Amino acid sequence: EDQVTQSPEALRLQEGESSSLNCSYTVSGLRGLFWYRQDPGKGPEFLFTLYSAGEEKEKERLKATLTKKESFLHITAPKPEDSATYLCAVHGGYQKVTFGTGTKLQVIP
Amino acid sequence: DAGVTQSPTHLIKTRGQQVTLRCSPISGHKSVSWYQQVLGQGPQFIFQYYEKEERGRGNFPDRFSARQFPNYSSELNVNALLLGDSALYLCASSRDRGVTEAFFGQGTRLTVV
Repeated sequence: EDQVTQSPEALRLQEGESSSLNCSYTVSGLRGLFWYRQDPGKGPEFLFTLYSAGEEKEKERLKATLTKKESFLHITAPKPEDSATYLCAVHGGYQKVTFGTGTKLQVIP
Repeated sequence: DAGVTQSPTHLIKTRGQQVTLRCSPISGHKSVSWYQQVLGQGPQFIFQYYEKEERGRGNFPDRFSARQFPNYSSELNVNALLLGDSALYLCASSRDRGVTEAFFGQGTRLTVV
């Protein structure tokens, strides 16, 4: 069965303090790995799709990387508006998508 | 462009009742997926529909069913509601069947009492 583990569960950063979120996965035949951002009471917002080890994607202060066993979401010089829960998901076989439980990020001014 | 729309936004049902949730995908998107998200957890995959056929199913009991209409909108039905079915139900649409970015609606908050 596909599994996704995200760490840490919660992260508190000062504004401007860069850090990384981790997503470890086991999947039978990775077809894609996704990162989403979710604000309280809202649906997840798509950030990135990564398809193969070594791939990297960037968007503003966020950069996602992928290896054969894990993915990292690097946040550079975060701002308070980056506060949210960040979700990682893998697309394995049989059109099934498995999400992790997320990392709740709080950025303090 | 309108995003993914779900209705209703909130719903309270009694244990044992049946519920139908609705989802309209982004125009041009042919794939709709349903997820259940319990507070503090990540979304759990329930179904994917593409071109009106079921293309994927998660580990949910047969009380859960869905369908997709010719205009690509979708309904999720849950029979014989249990207290444990209380959750945020999310619909996501994507352009194709395969591995593409999915756009989520705001969800339907279902409370079973």
